[in-house]
Amino acid sequence: RKEVEQDPGPFNVPEGATVAFNCTYSNSASQSFFWYRQDCRKEPKLLMSVYSSGNEDGRFTAQLNRASQYISLLIRDSKLSDSATYLCVVNSGDSWGKLQFGAGTQVVVTP
Amino acid sequence: NAGVTQTPKFQVLKTGQSMTLQCAQDMNHNSMYWYRQDPGMGLRLIYYSASEGTTDKGEVPNGYNVSRLNKREFSLRLESAAPSQTSVYFCASGQNSGNTIYFGEGSWLTVV
Repeated sequence: RKEVEQDPGPFNVPEGATVAFNCTYSNSASQSFFWYRQDCRKEPKLLMSVYSSGNEDGRFTAQLNRASQYISLLIRDSKLSDSATYLCVVNSGDSWGKLQFGAGTQVVVTP
Repeated sequence: NAGVTQTPKFQVLKTGQSMTLQCAQDMNHNSMYWYRQDPGMGLRLIYYSASEGTTDKGEVPNGYNVSRLNKREFSLRLESAAPSQTSVYFCASGQNSGNTIYFGEGSWLTVV
């Protein structure tokens, strides 16, 4: 089983709609969680960190559910520019805390 | 705002050739990483360096070597390239282990 699993999608979303997707992780000792965004043929870029209490950054909301070991990302009022692959990132929980990346969820926002 | 710079951006190698991917960061970060990204598999850690003077294997180290030349620079070497090493390679750096990391623009490597 992969340490970080994501639905690859694509999630096809009309412009202005809301889309949400989850990421599950297997290591209960993980302490740090992030969402990265990756555009086609570009490097991943940090979208937001995910805090225990949940957090919001503009149209983006991230939640953490430790009991069920998943994090979620919700995008409201989707823009065409939100089309990208969203990578779930979890630290490995070992003494050094290496980051584990999911394979990504593709979001396609359509006019 | 250079951030993380890696070279070359594109490279085609013949099987058995060697090459070195260079990476430098100007953010005074302690930790540096090399990842490869293949379709459907996500980013996989090849090697990392928690701090200057140390390097450790990641998930897929076979066929690669690294050098942490100084705090700024972390190079990845393919001694004898194989077609299975065709991939996109990303260098990254971060202040401390387990926290946010920042990526270079990637190096597209094809081994024929």
